[in-house]
Amino acid sequence: AQSVTQLGSHVSVSEGALVLLRCNYSSSVPPYLFWYVQYPNQGLQLLLKYTTGATLVKGINGFEAEFKKSETSFHLTKPSAHMSDAAEYFCAVRRQGAQKLVFGQGTRLTINP
Amino acid sequence: ETGVTQSPTHLIKTRGQQVTLRCSSQSGHNTVSWYQQALGQGPQFIFQYYREEENGRGNFPPRFSGLQFPNYSSELNVNALELDDSALYLCASSVLAGGALSRELFFGEGSRLTVL
Repeated sequence: AQSVTQLGSHVSVSEGALVLLRCNYSSSVPPYLFWYVQYPNQGLQLLLKYTTGATLVKGINGFEAEFKKSETSFHLTKPSAHMSDAAEYFCAVRRQGAQKLVFGQGTRLTINP
Repeated sequence: ETGVTQSPTHLIKTRGQQVTLRCSSQSGHNTVSWYQQALGQGPQFIFQYYREEENGRGNFPPRFSGLQFPNYSSELNVNALELDDSALYLCASSVLAGGALSRELFFGEGSRLTVL
């Protein structure tokens, strides 16, 4: 069975500081990996995804993530936080050929002025 | 904006009642999935519909059922509502080709259900 662990339910950074949101997964086969963002009272928006190929993936709004198979990790980073980045972030995994996404518990990102 | 629309946006029901939630998928998409997101948690997969049939199901009881229509829109029905059914219900559409999802999921903004 697949599972996703997001380390830290709440992360707080200052505006302009580095954002690092951690995600580790377990999967018996190489999975597809995703990061989604959820703003208050809204649905999920895809930030970026890894399927195959280059392990450093760039997404929208300046975010990027690196797939590290040896560490079973897919951490999300952004060099400089902006106030508009405040939201809930979800890491998710999907087995190749499967229909469902398995989500982590989410990390709430707060940006301090 | 993804093009996936859900209705109603908010609703309140009492324990034991039944509820129907609706979803219109993005143009060109042929599969619809439903997820339940309880407060403070990540979304949990309920089921997926393709060609008007259930095509995968998560760990939810039979009182959670669905429909997909020829225009690919979908309904989620929940019978005998329980307090723990209070959650945000998310619909997501995508394209299924050759038995596999060929596109990522596009989510709607959800229907928030409160069961009293």
